[in-house]
Amino acid sequence: DVKVTQSSRYLVKRTGEKVFLECVQDMDHENMFWYRQDPGLGLRLIYFSYDVKMKEKGDIPEGYSVSREKKERFSLILESASTNQTSMYLCASSLFAGAFNQPQHFGDGTRLSIL
Amino acid sequence: DAKTTQPTSMDCAEGRAANLPCNHSTISGNEYVYWYRQIHSQGPQYIIHGLKNNETNEMASLIITEDRKSSTLILPHATLRDTAVYYCIVRVGARGLTFGKGTHLIIQP
Repeated sequence: DVKVTQSSRYLVKRTGEKVFLECVQDMDHENMFWYRQDPGLGLRLIYFSYDVKMKEKGDIPEGYSVSREKKERFSLILESASTNQTSMYLCASSLFAGAFNQPQHFGDGTRLSIL
Repeated sequence: DAKTTQPTSMDCAEGRAANLPCNHSTISGNEYVYWYRQIHSQGPQYIIHGLKNNETNEMASLIITEDRKSSTLILPHATLRDTAVYYCIVRVGARGLTFGKGTHLIIQP
């Protein structure tokens, strides 16, 4: 089974802090994704990566950056955390960059609170 | 990605088959139908996907109509652990997913 592991289930940080969310997948997937999920707004794509050191902006990249130094690890960085970044953050991965029918597999999420 | 329409909520008795419908009348020829579910406070879980033919795996069956404008996810013997929000998505490409409101399936003991 595909395993996508997010480093923390719950995280509390202060406004202005630099926050790192880590995600690791163990199935040699090429694609990795970061989403946030908010009540009433559904799932929104922040960034994705289809290869090591490659990244593309999703629908809401402002205030975030990402890093993918190794194929299995994709990090989301909140450069200067703000209260409107309080959310559930979900990492996902899928197999091939060019395949149109590969499902995404999700981690259990990090519930981040910015005080 | 094409838009989907699902009922807001459904009930099903434990042990019975749960049939979750999804309408996707604007689906295009190369779009796949995917089903995910999300149990409270957990990440979404992939269930099954298909293009034209019916599909079955260890979790569920997916029935797609011949015109591909609708589909049904079948959980053959629902258990209490199947209580979740179920999302039907149609998409092509390897970019991000968009979930609608989904169907809240409640399995009754």
